[in-house]
Amino acid sequence: KNEVEQSPQNLTAQEGEFITINCSYSVGISALHWLQQHPGGGIVSLFMLSSGKKKHGRLIATINIQEKHSSLHITASHPRDSAVYICAVTPEETSGSRLTFGEGTQLTVNP
Amino acid sequence: DTGVSQDPRHKITKRGQNVTFRCDPISEHNRLYWYRQTLGQGPEFLTYFQNEAQLEKSRLLSDRFSAERPKGSFSTLEIQRTEQGDSAMYLCASSSGQGRKEKLFFGSGTQLSVL
Repeated sequence: KNEVEQSPQNLTAQEGEFITINCSYSVGISALHWLQQHPGGGIVSLFMLSSGKKKHGRLIATINIQEKHSSLHITASHPRDSAVYICAVTPEETSGSRLTFGEGTQLTVNP
Repeated sequence: DTGVSQDPRHKITKRGQNVTFRCDPISEHNRLYWYRQTLGQGPEFLTYFQNEAQLEKSRLLSDRFSAERPKGSFSTLEIQRTEQGDSAMYLCASSSGQGRKEKLFFGSGTQLSVL
């Protein structure tokens, strides 16, 4: 079993829909990251959080430390949101900010 | 562009050849990470430098892999005697923090294909 599990693996939505991607982890963590990866490989950090909730534009990330669970929400989704969304954690017992990644969620938003 | 730069973007090689990739982090960043990503999977940690010191290596990093960061700036990742299983995207990331809660900045990766 992976230390970081994401669901769903694939998600197709219509433009304007509210989207939720879930992440569960099984280890103690210092921080949890949500990242976006577009075709061609480039990864962009969306959020880093260790408690509560963060919002940036149409993106909202929440974390429940007790339940070891995080969600990424996209409001009013748009075709340009189509990408792979990856959850990653910094385990407590690790050097630096080494990340352990989930397998990603492929999001496709149709016009 | 002052982001993380990786070179080359793509590399095709024959099995048994040696390859070397380069990563130029954001200039003031003291930490540098190498990850490997295969199709449909999340990245996996390979190794990590703080300045010029290599502080951690994954079990994934066999004896055929070596990484350096000689002056605490750019880093190189060399794979000797490449195998088809080495085909993957090799990602570099850098950060400027001292603790464990820090944002990482990723390069666009080097896509390696071993024929």
